[in-house]
Amino acid sequence: AQKVTQAQTEISVVEKEDVTLDCVYETRDTTYYLFWYKQPPSGELVFLIRRNSFDEQNEISGRYSWNFQKSTSSFNFTITASQVVDSAVYFCALSEATGGFKTIFGAGTRLFVKA
Amino acid sequence: GAGVSQSPRYKVAKRGQDVALRCDPISGHVSLFWYQQALGQGPEFLTYFQNEAQLDKSGLPSDRFFAERPEGSVSTLKIQRTQQEDSAVYLCASSGGGSYNSPLHFGNGTRLTVT
Repeated sequence: AQKVTQAQTEISVVEKEDVTLDCVYETRDTTYYLFWYKQPPSGELVFLIRRNSFDEQNEISGRYSWNFQKSTSSFNFTITASQVVDSAVYFCALSEATGGFKTIFGAGTRLFVKA
Repeated sequence: GAGVSQSPRYKVAKRGQDVALRCDPISGHVSLFWYQQALGQGPEFLTYFQNEAQLDKSGLPSDRFFAERPEGSVSTLKIQRTQQEDSAVYLCASSGGGSYNSPLHFGNGTRLTVT
């Protein structure tokens, strides 16, 4: 069955530190997509990135980078030189080609960035 | 509007009351989803519409939950005879694609408290 595990419930860092949010997924599908969303205190989840199961190339977008490793079923998210505005809950999510249209979310990691 | 709009933002209901939650998706988005988010958890899938057709309602927790999207735009999630365990944030999301790989655009949610 499909499942997304975010083992880190809360992480607290000081501004300018680098931080990595872990995500491990389970699926029987060979075709699937992985996502990261950010939920700031306002409550609205915001899409950050999408990665398909056939593309293991790492991606960098500004201070954000993502490391996808099929061998370990992981899709980790790193924020470099964290800022206070990065404080939010971050969700990793999975959707499968045979899973209908639903997206399965992890429980989230709450990130606190202190000034 | 530019984003997904949900109303009301907060709803307090006495146990046994019926409630109706409204979602106005991004204009032109064919796909509409309802998710339930308990405190400290990730969103859990409830139901999915493609235009006016409800293609998946497998996540609705009981027959007290009912969703509709009669004209393929605005959607309403109705909960009859509310129970305390229904207390949660109800999130609506839309996407422009009708596929499992489309990123979701979320509203701010409706926080339902059943007393």
